This record gives sequence, structure tokens and C-alpha cells, in this order.
Amino acid sequence: SQTIHQWPATLVQPVGSPLSLECTVEGTSNPNLYWYRQAAGRGLQLLFYSIGIDQISSEVPQNLSASRPQDRQFILSSKKLLLSDSGFYLCAWRWGGSTGELFFGEGSRLTVL
Amino acid sequence: RKEVEQDPGPFNVPEGATVAFNCTYSNSASQSFFWYRQDCRKEPKLLMSVYSSGNEDGRFTAQLNRASQYISLLIRDSKLSDSATYLCVVNPRGNTPLVFGKGTRLSVIA
Repeated sequence: SQTIHQWPATLVQPVGSPLSLECTVEGTSNPNLYWYRQAAGRGLQLLFYSIGIDQISSEVPQNLSASRPQDRQFILSSKKLLLSDSGFYLCAWRWGGSTGELFFGEGSRLTVL
Repeated sequence: RKEVEQDPGPFNVPEGATVAFNCTYSNSASQSFFWYRQDCRKEPKLLMSVYSSGNEDGRFTAQLNRASQYISLLIRDSKLSDSATYLCVVNPRGNTPLVFGKGTRLSVIA
């Protein structure tokens, strides 16, 4: 069966500090991978998606970046966090080439102070 | 027009009630449709896919009207455990990312 893990689950960071969130998928190969953000009381905002290693599409201009160094690993980073980066970050995967559903990780809750 | 629109609610209903959520989408070429459930401070989880002929899963019924670009979710005999936010989700075309509505919040009250 397929599983998705993301970490850390919770973090509190000062403004201007770096960020690294990591996500890995097990039990499948060549998945499509996604990073979403959900601000408090808001809907899901797609940040990045990837259909393959080193293939990243950015949906929203911001101070975040994403990388996919391995087939089943997706990393979200920032060099300098802003207050507005606070939110609930969700990694998700879907079968490659699929029109089917997304499967989400448990999320990483980021508070920038 | 937003890609996926939902009534944000909240819907406050008593246990045992029947409640219906509606959702509209803007892209007439959209290919697949889903309802997700999100509990407070948790990740969204797939509730059910929505098929053209309509489909049912226990107390939950989903319907799709392509002509009107409209999706619905009906919950019968509401339980306290149904309290959550329900997200309408659309796949615009092919292998493109899914588009999420902002969700409809449901509170089932004893």
C-alpha cells in the first residue's frame, strides 16, 4: 500500500529564518507531488507541483521554493520566512498521469513570529 | 467567476437531519469531481468521487450536473461525527492539479 509522510508536524520560526519541510511517498513510483498551503480559515492554495524529478511548476510567486531530488521526495524551502508564510502546509501525491484523487500527508503547521 | 465555488456555511443542523451542499465549477471541460472532508486542524481526506450517473455511499449521495456545471452532496441522518468542512474538488483537465473549493462547514448538533 502507499503511504505519505511529511515532517516536521509543527514548527515555530522567527521572521527571516530559513524553512525546510520534507515529504516522502512510499509504495509507488513516479507519483505527481504537490505542496498546498492553507492559511487560517482559508481554502487550499496550490504552491508547487511536480510530475518528475527536478520538474517543478510554481503556481504562486512567493519567497518559497520546492525541489524534488528523488522520485518520491518533495521538499519545500524558504531562505527567509515572512509573517505571511504562517499556515498549514500539506504535501499530497497522485498517480502519475492520473485524473484521480489526491492523497494528503498529515500536514505541517508553521507559525512565523 | 471563481473556478470552484461553494457556500461557506456554516450549516448548523440537528442530529438526524438531512443536509445538502452545492458546488459550481467554471470550466465546462472539467473531467473528474470529488468531495473531500476536512476535520479541524487535519488534512483533507477523500469522502467520495462524483460520477456522471450519481453515486451513493451509505448515508452520502453525490450528484453531478454537467449541463449546469453543478455538483451536490447530500447527507442523510446526520451524525455528530459528520461535523467537518466539506471540500468540493474539480480536475479541470488531464493531468492538471485539482482545484479545491474553499469548503462548506457543517456542525451537527445534539
